[in-house]
Amino acid sequence: AQKITQTQPGMFVQEKEAVTLDCTYDTSDQSYGLFWYKQPSSGEMIFLIYQGSYDEQNATEGRYSLNFQKARKSANLVISASQLGDSAMYFCAMRGSGNTGKLIFGQGTTLQVKP
Amino acid sequence: NAGVTQTPKFRILKIGQSMTLQCTQDMNHNYMYWYRQDPGMGLKLIYYSVGAGITDKGEVPNGYNVSRSTTEDFPLRLELAAPSQTSVYFCASSYSGQGSGANVLTFGAGSRLTVL
Repeated sequence: AQKITQTQPGMFVQEKEAVTLDCTYDTSDQSYGLFWYKQPSSGEMIFLIYQGSYDEQNATEGRYSLNFQKARKSANLVISASQLGDSAMYFCAMRGSGNTGKLIFGQGTTLQVKP
Repeated sequence: NAGVTQTPKFRILKIGQSMTLQCTQDMNHNYMYWYRQDPGMGLKLIYYSVGAGITDKGEVPNGYNVSRSTTEDFPLRLELAAPSQTSVYFCASSYSGQGSGANVLTFGAGSRLTVL
């Protein structure tokens, strides 16, 4: 069975500093995808970044990068130069093989950026 | 483009009542999903559909039903509402295939349901 684990319920970071949000996963599939979503206090789900299991390079999208360590089954999100607007809940998710596209989500990490 | 539209945004139900959460998308996505999010928790998959006429159960399907008669619409039916169904419900869609956007879920704004 597939599983996503986020072990940090809450994190604090000082504005303009970098922060890493942890995500580990468990799957027996060879082909899978890893996603990060942001959920601000307003409640919507915002897609941030995607990493495919066969991608050799770590994904980057602006200030977001995904530190993908396949052997360790980890897919940590790195946010550089934190901004106050980064305060939100962050979810790691995984798509397995099989042609359904469905994602399983971790429990989430609440990030608070301090001025 | 409106993306994924859910209605209603808020609803209070009494125990035993039924209701339908509406979801429509205008992106011609073949895949659609319903998730629920309990307070402070991640999202759990209720039902999903890979195309019109095809639906399947997710992780927590009990107490719900879905249908997919068109590509655009994927309503979620709650029968005999129970307090355990108090949650925020998200509809999402995606498309299959290759490319960086494939399988990225686009979410609706959510529907907050309270059962008293």
